[in-house]
Amino acid sequence: GAGVSQSPSNKVTEKGKDVELRCDPISGHTALYWYRQSLGQGLEFLIYFQGNSAPDKSGLPSDRFSAERTGGSVSTLTIQRTQQEDSAVYLCASSLVSTNEKLFFGSGTQLSVL
Amino acid sequence: SQQGEEDPQALSIQEGENATMNCSYKTSINNLQWYRQNSGRGLVHLILIRSNEREKHSGRLRVTLDTSKKSSSLLITASRAADTASYFCATDYYGNNRLAFGKGNQVVVIP
Repeated sequence: GAGVSQSPSNKVTEKGKDVELRCDPISGHTALYWYRQSLGQGLEFLIYFQGNSAPDKSGLPSDRFSAERTGGSVSTLTIQRTQQEDSAVYLCASSLVSTNEKLFFGSGTQLSVL
Repeated sequence: SQQGEEDPQALSIQEGENATMNCSYKTSINNLQWYRQNSGRGLVHLILIRSNEREKHSGRLRVTLDTSKKSSSLLITASRAADTASYFCATDYYGNNRLAFGKGNQVVVIP
């Protein structure tokens, strides 16, 4: 596709349920990033992929959060047993090479945990 | 964690005026980038300045970097209503795999 695609754009779930968020990066981009943004706040780094491997998982806030990337392309961020504090916009970005330069962002998934 | 931090202020200006916002950071960086975010969703890359550069221009944007003061500024000249957005600086620290974003600076351009 022309840009980074994220789905769903909005997700409402009940506390305790699991959710999966999907990111489809720009074709050919080797680096993929997940960030979280709470209302009116900056971006909180979650995880970074180089190809299919994640050299830096240190931003994941708890063991309820996990992410994978397959085929060097699509990535899925999974949150198990969601809590209300997980409510945020989850943003995915990709870049051509893993040099932290010029990230292309998707429109995000707005997650609301009731 | 270390990250770029903008002056956390909302800026409201008239169309045609210049808008300036600042960002400070805490340690040595490879580069500093500015991004724009409209309506709280995806960010758009505006400009990147490397640690060995002091000033860079892109259209109506002018970025400066002062590594001795660990600070950067973004100037938008001749602002337009379409420039209304939040602006984030992001820093790439040596030995780090992540871009660290600040909290953003909201700019409102009044037509």
